[in-house]
Amino acid sequence: DVKVTQSSRYLVKRTGEKVFLECVQDMDHENMFWYRQDPGLGLRLIYFSYDVKMKEKGDIPEGYSVSREKKERFSLILESASTNQTSMYLCASRPRSSGANVLTFGAGSRLTVL
Amino acid sequence: DQQVKQNSPSLSVQEGRISILNCDYTNSMFDYFLWYKKYPAEGPTFLISISSIKDKNEDGRFTVFLNKSAKHLSLHIVPSQPGDSAVYFCAASEGSSNTGKLIFGQGTTLQVKP
Repeated sequence: DVKVTQSSRYLVKRTGEKVFLECVQDMDHENMFWYRQDPGLGLRLIYFSYDVKMKEKGDIPEGYSVSREKKERFSLILESASTNQTSMYLCASRPRSSGANVLTFGAGSRLTVL
Repeated sequence: DQQVKQNSPSLSVQEGRISILNCDYTNSMFDYFLWYKKYPAEGPTFLISISSIKDKNEDGRFTVFLNKSAKHLSLHIVPSQPGDSAVYFCAASEGSSNTGKLIFGQGTTLQVKP
């Protein structure tokens, strides 16, 4: 069964800390994505990557950075966590050629910033 | 500027009846529309999609209808089951690009009562 695995399901961090969220997929997908989900706002795209070492800003990239050193791994970095970054973070992937553009999501990482 | 909107935050239906979830969009260049289902503490799972050149797609109990002139799509679930209780997200694909970005609506929480 194909999988997108997010290493941390629940994290609690303090304001100002550096936070790493890791995502690994075993489907050999080229494209990977980071979204955040907030009540009433749906899923909003933070960053995406369509190849190793390539990255593109999504709709809300401020306060975040990403790293894609290997095809299967896409990391989201919060350089200095703030309380407004408390959210559910969702990683997703898809192959480059996907007719209906179906993304496969991980289980999510619930981050609380105190 | 919300390109994909789900104006009903919640919907409650009786088991066995029809559930109708609605979604509106503004960008006429969207080429695919998708519905995802999300249970608490899990990632979204793909449910059904429709190409912009179709007006209906059916998969078992789930049917998606697309009205391009009204820029409106709907998901019908017949018959509804208690296990269908979840948050449903409508999503749209921004053209047939390699990036595979999906733009999501705010979500509708469906409750199916036994």
